[in-house]
Amino acid sequence: DSGVTQTPKHLITATGQRVTLRCSPRSGDLSVYWYQQSLDQGLQFLIQYYNGEERAKGNILERFSAQQFPDLHSELNLSSLELGDSALYFCASSRGQNPKTYEQYFGPGTRLTVT
Amino acid sequence: DQQVKQNSPSLSVQEGRISILNCDYTNSMFDYFLWYKKYPAEGPTFLISISSIKDKNEDGRFTVFLNKSAKHLSLHIVPSQPGDSAVYFCAASANSGNTGKLIFGQGTTLQVKP
Repeated sequence: DSGVTQTPKHLITATGQRVTLRCSPRSGDLSVYWYQQSLDQGLQFLIQYYNGEERAKGNILERFSAQQFPDLHSELNLSSLELGDSALYFCASSRGQNPKTYEQYFGPGTRLTVT
Repeated sequence: DQQVKQNSPSLSVQEGRISILNCDYTNSMFDYFLWYKKYPAEGPTFLISISSIKDKNEDGRFTVFLNKSAKHLSLHIVPSQPGDSAVYFCAASANSGNTGKLIFGQGTTLQVKP
């Protein structure tokens, strides 16, 4: 158990809908990351927050948005869903930002299926 | 543009033998490399890492080698055990921007046969 929790574990929804994925980081971790793993793909970095502020962005679609709240939990919002958005979405957290110093701990992921 | 590539989707080895997983990268700004291991229905877990100022890092049965001129790294597992069967991801970081952004490869599924 990494200490990072993600809800829900599974989500099935229809095209055009909007969903919210939630992540609670490990206690004391200030940084939260979101990654997407599509079929036969590696983990694609989406976005990073540190202590409530956006710090880095990957190839995140405009239909996707995220935020980190004062209690440090984070939400990833996916809207106007398309079939291609079906994937595993992982959240990770770390105490600081530098990966040389601070290990990223991953949650178990949310499996999103868009039908 | 795949900056980190793992060209072998799968690898099968016999228990007790060596497993060698390979990873290539294209971005010369990467200065830190990591290997993660992932079991089904779990998130990836950190395994071992190496800084670009080194060419080898060892931790028990796991050794990572870095060849900067070839932009290539490899993970050696000796001896391989059935519990090592998992998906292994190579990842890289270019920390000039002081972020935690990691770029991952596609993963290699390792099967260790008893």
